Amino acid sequence: DGGITQSPKYLFRKEGQNVTLSCEQNLNHDAMYWYRQDPGQGLRLIYYSQIVNDFQKGDIAEGYSVSREKKESFPLTVTSAQKNPTAFYLCASSINEFSNQPQHFGDGTRLSIL
Amino acid sequence: GNSVTQMEGPVTLSEEAFLTINCTYTATGYPSLFWYVQYPGEGLQLLLKATKADDKGSNKGFEATYRKETTSFHLEKGSVQVSDSAVYFCALRSGSARQLTFGSGTQLTVLP
Repeated sequence: DGGITQSPKYLFRKEGQNVTLSCEQNLNHDAMYWYRQDPGQGLRLIYYSQIVNDFQKGDIAEGYSVSREKKESFPLTVTSAQKNPTAFYLCASSINEFSNQPQHFGDGTRLSIL
Repeated sequence: GNSVTQMEGPVTLSEEAFLTINCTYTATGYPSLFWYVQYPGEGLQLLLKATKADDKGSNKGFEATYRKETTSFHLEKGSVQVSDSAVYFCALRSGSARQLTFGSGTQLTVLP
């Protein structure tokens, strides 16, 4: 079945460490997104990519980095510059950038600080 | 800018009760509107959508109608089940905006 796979499901980060969250999709979607979800809140956009080798900052990009070397993959790195990284991270994709297309989500990665 | 306001939760209902979760929005242009559902520990699943005024989205007994005159997209279900217990998010995507704008979510608990 087609879908979005995020790994790992749980991740722990030590102080001063960078960690990378994986997101892979086999839906042949052009656009991919990373959101952050904090308890009791909606989702906030970190980065998005409309096409391979191109990506744009979202509302809360500071302390994060991404790459889009392949259409299927959009990994997110949480750097040591992100001082409050504990959250639930959700990756999403959509067919294209047009507004009437829904976004499809993975099952998320929960990041915690040791 | 775009924004979505949902009724605050948590909402607790008995099985077979009628459900309404209010959602109103502010947007530039003509947004597409979505309801997503999130079960504990999981990602978001698209529940239904509407892309133009007066459209009604429906799925699994849930319905929502795109009301441009009241800028609303309220979620309804005639008879809820225990398995409907989850967090529900209203969202919009408008014009050139690349991301979805989400409401803060409404926690629904259905008791047997």
